[in-house]
Amino acid sequence: EVHLVESGGGLIEAGGSLRLSCIVSGLTFRNAWVSWVRQTPEKGLEWIGRIKGAGATTDYAAPVKGRLSISKDDLKSTVYLQMSSLKIEDTGVYYCTWQATFSNYFHRWGQGTLVTVSS
Amino acid sequence: EIVMTQSPATLSVSPGERATLSCRASQSVSSNLAWYQQKPGQAPRLLIYDASTRATGIPATFSGSGSGTEFTLTITSLQSEDFALYFCQQYDTWPIAFGPGTKVDIK
Repeated sequence: EVHLVESGGGLIEAGGSLRLSCIVSGLTFRNAWVSWVRQTPEKGLEWIGRIKGAGATTDYAAPVKGRLSISKDDLKSTVYLQMSSLKIEDTGVYYCTWQATFSNYFHRWGQGTLVTVSS
Repeated sequence: EIVMTQSPATLSVSPGERATLSCRASQSVSSNLAWYQQKPGQAPRLLIYDASTRATGIPATFSGSGSGTEFTLTITSLQSEDFALYFCQQYDTWPIAFGPGTKVDIK
């Protein structure tokens, strides 16, 4: 069974940066498509970006493009989310999710990690 | 950009009764729609994809229907563990989008 575990959340000042990690198990990690979805009080569930399979190509949502970078380490079966210039409205729970190749719905979700951006 | 709406915002149902949740897309998404369940303090869980296909391990008490812009999630004979928040998500057109959710609570 696919399992995802996020870490790295916490309290961060506005304007700062964060790096979240997501360890994935139960599948061939190198080929996995992994997305980040956040849940905020303001916007609810919001897809923010993904990294796709062996080619490690990335896609980002327009509202965060330019501030977000997703990468992975195949040896550690880990996906990283790096976000800069954090805003109060970035506060929320960040989930990494697994989607089957070429599908755009999310079969498995991690437990989430809370990010709180303070002024 | 497709906007998803869900109704009602809150649905109060007695245990053992049926719940019918609606999801509407601002333009056609064909059958490219998923439903998720979220319990307090937990991550969402995939229930239905392709509008009507149950995900692995999801009981037959959950069923999805619809296509185009109108979709329904039906939960027959609600059990205590079914009282939760339910979201729909379209994945037909980029960017994918989630609905705001329907909370199913105990009447």
